[in-house]
Amino acid sequence: QSALTQPASVSESPGQSITISCTGTSSDVGNYNLVSWYQQHPGKAPKLIIYEFNKRPSGVSNRFSGSKSGNTASLTISGLQTEDEANYYCCSYAGSSAFVVFGGGTRVTVL
Amino acid sequence: QVQLVESGGGVVQPGRSLRVSCTASGFTFSSYGMHWVRQAPGKGLEWVAMISYDGSDKYYADSVKGRFTISRDKSKNTLYLQMNSLRTEDTAVYFCAKEPGGAYRWYFDLWGRGTLVTVSS
Repeated sequence: QSALTQPASVSESPGQSITISCTGTSSDVGNYNLVSWYQQHPGKAPKLIIYEFNKRPSGVSNRFSGSKSGNTASLTISGLQTEDEANYYCCSYAGSSAFVVFGGGTRVTVL
Repeated sequence: QVQLVESGGGVVQPGRSLRVSCTASGFTFSSYGMHWVRQAPGKGLEWVAMISYDGSDKYYADSVKGRFTISRDKSKNTLYLQMNSLRTEDTAVYFCAKEPGGAYRWYFDLWGRGTLVTVSS
């Protein structure tokens, strides 16, 4: 069982928006702004799409945005495109006991 | 170009050892902290270990502490993960990943493509 809880799957039509939640605890998501999100296509390496809960790396589409409230972080993908079909993982710093924890991943399907 | 390339994976029996490597290019390897992250077949990501830019600090997940050792060689631009007392549950693709720089930020801005380690009798 993963330390952070994500929905297993989300589906939506092209052009629509989705939001993926990532629920942790006061020991990880709730206590640090060090939440990141990764996109992983099958058989490929993960790619950083959000860091420090709401910052976007250079080159990442502005259709991806992040937010955080309490123990829950969220990733929103707007204007869904077929290339957005992938697995998405949230990640958080968890202090000097566990260091880094991941969510179980969310499979995004663009119908 | 900026990249990380893992190598050294393979099939190993339970209880045996294996060392995987990650060679960096296109950036100043000795300036960045580095991590290992693994992914069991069909499963999610699991953080394994981290080493500071100069090798002075090392951190491990509880699941590998005492069995795995992370190290680096700046002369070879290479990161290592020595895995001892391997278990079947260590079967996974092992990715190396780079910290963004500066103080520890605990996220990964560059990943390699991974190397598969299979622990099986």
